[in-house]
Amino acid sequence: EPEVTQTPSHQVTQMGQEVILRCVPISNHLYFYWYRQILGQKVEFLVSFYNNEISEKSEIFDDQFSVERPDGSNFTLKIRSTKLEDSAMYFCASSLQGVYGYTFGSGTRLTVV
Amino acid sequence: AQSVTQLGSHVSVSEGALVLLRCNYSSSVPPYLFWYVQYPNQGLQLLLKYTSAATLVKGINGFEAEFKKSETSFHLTKPSAHMSDAAEYFCAVSLRGGGSNYKLTFGKGTLLTVNP
Repeated sequence: EPEVTQTPSHQVTQMGQEVILRCVPISNHLYFYWYRQILGQKVEFLVSFYNNEISEKSEIFDDQFSVERPDGSNFTLKIRSTKLEDSAMYFCASSLQGVYGYTFGSGTRLTVV
Repeated sequence: AQSVTQLGSHVSVSEGALVLLRCNYSSSVPPYLFWYVQYPNQGLQLLLKYTSAATLVKGINGFEAEFKKSETSFHLTKPSAHMSDAAEYFCAVSLRGGGSNYKLTFGKGTLLTVNP
């Protein structure tokens, strides 16, 4: 069964550093998403991406965040200058169209120290 | 705007007992509804989803949920709990957004514990 692959599974970074979280969506999917889950809290939508541009973003997704699909297979989330409160599990998801085939990756746990 | 309310942050049942996890949604248009399960330190696994076909939806691991428009509910049930069902369960609602994307709005989750 096709999977969404996220790397690394766990990343530790110092406050103020830039991090890039990587995702390989399912190959024929067209819609891409990032979500985050702060420890003990609910999963929150960050951003959706389609046709090489952001479709929608949440209030959380401020200027410190950016997304990119650099080579037609990877989908990345960059945090320019990490803060302690960015520590969370970040989930990538992709879908074929709408809700069909909506699949989450296993997540990257980001720890900012 | 869409929202999801999961009643009960923690539900405890005995092995073999009925599991009932409650979810109510708020949506201005017909929604798509999902239940996900998350085991400790793992990702989100789809249990089942409602996409405007049959109102009673069967999922994996013996779970099912019924969409009740009049009650704006999508409660998750399983007739007989197993120890392996112990996990956190999230209800989510989705509406079509800009550019045909479908963002999911999650509830706060219900932690299910199963006692031997």
